[in-house]
Amino acid sequence: EDQVTQSPEALRLQEGESSSLNCSYTVSGLRGLFWYRQDPGKGPEFLFTLYSAGEEKEKERLKATLTKKESFLHITAPKPEDSATYLCAVQAGRGSTLGRLYFGRGTQLTVWP
Amino acid sequence: NAGVTQTPKFQVLKTGQSMTLQCAQDMNHNSMYWYRQDPGMGLRLIYYSASEGTTDKGEVPNGYNVSRLNKREFSLRLESAAPSQTSVYFCASSELGPRVDTQYFGPGTRLTVL
Repeated sequence: EDQVTQSPEALRLQEGESSSLNCSYTVSGLRGLFWYRQDPGKGPEFLFTLYSAGEEKEKERLKATLTKKESFLHITAPKPEDSATYLCAVQAGRGSTLGRLYFGRGTQLTVWP
Repeated sequence: NAGVTQTPKFQVLKTGQSMTLQCAQDMNHNSMYWYRQDPGMGLRLIYYSASEGTTDKGEVPNGYNVSRLNKREFSLRLESAAPSQTSVYFCASSELGPRVDTQYFGPGTRLTVL
């Protein structure tokens, strides 16, 4: 069964304190791994897509990496405006599940000044 | 472009009442999706439509029906609402690219069933 697990569930950082969020997955035939940001009361906002192990993508203070079993979202020198819930999702590549996303429960990040 | 829009933003129903959640996208995407999000759980797929004229069940379809009205619009109907359907509902759309199809989400509908 396809599965996505994110850790930690919640993370509190002081402004400027770098850290990483983890997303481990088991899926048959990975087509892509996605990171989304979700602010309270809003829909998920797309951040990155990673396709294969070894791939990295960056956007401002965020960098996403991918291995064969997990992905990391590294946050460098975070600011309070980075506070949000970060969601990881995987897309399988087989049969009737083609195109479906399987989401983790998210990591709630709080950055305090 | 407005992206994905959803109406209403908030709704309170009594058990047994029916309602339809509306979703529209202006990105000319072929595929559309309905998810629900509950505290402590990841987003779960209710129904999806890979293209106009087709719909398929997702992970949690019981108690829901959908209609792909045209390429832009995809509605979700609760025929007889139950308290277990209290949730936040998100619509998404995507276009199949060369490798994956990235889904873009609407702002959500917050539904409470009393």
